[in-house]
Amino acid sequence: KAGVTQTPRYLIKTRGQQVTLSCSPISGHRSVSWYQQTPGQGLQFLFEYFSETQRNKGNFPGRFSGRQFSNSRSEMNVSTLELGDSALYLCASSREEVYNEQFFGPGTRLTVL
Amino acid sequence: AQRVTQPEKLLSVFKGAPVELKCNYSYSGSPELFWYVQYSRQRLQLLLRHISRESIKGFTADLNKGETSFHLKKPFAQEEDSAMYYCALRVTSGTYKYIFGTGTRLKVLA
Repeated sequence: KAGVTQTPRYLIKTRGQQVTLSCSPISGHRSVSWYQQTPGQGLQFLFEYFSETQRNKGNFPGRFSGRQFSNSRSEMNVSTLELGDSALYLCASSREEVYNEQFFGPGTRLTVL
Repeated sequence: AQRVTQPEKLLSVFKGAPVELKCNYSYSGSPELFWYVQYSRQRLQLLLRHISRESIKGFTADLNKGETSFHLKKPFAQEEDSAMYYCALRVTSGTYKYIFGTGTRLKVLA
């Protein structure tokens, strides 16, 4: 079974630009979560989607948004990029069952110059 | 408030020494707790979950509801245990959400 895939793996953008990241979950997984990983803050929850609906949102500004498609693939968008947005963005998918683990993708490394 | 606290950013131990990575949580509901590990240049992956009460790679973790802790332990550390460890709480009231601690980097010295 193929794992979670994320594209692109690396991105370099400049301040003020916008970026779209993509995540393909494991087949059969309908829950997709996004996290921002930085050395100082660890993993910070961005949002979670299930069946095309955003169920949870973390404490990030409105510049961070996302969506999920009918095939469970998900995208996240960051507009008006700031230097502080430089991070590894992780996507994770899971089944909707008790005590189920999340399966993580390799991440997209975003660098904002 | 729902929170996961890992007080140590870095823990260094010698090979063969016991290891304990601390994790405390704050959650009013029934907790689902996990330990995830990220080895160098690898994806974040599940190490163990409290419900399984299993030992993975020699690691165990016991949920202590009285102390709201879920510390990760291993009696004899190996060099290959060097990695970043994250404790995670899965919130199940209402909708599902994972809350991760800030992580502890374990370095096992030869």
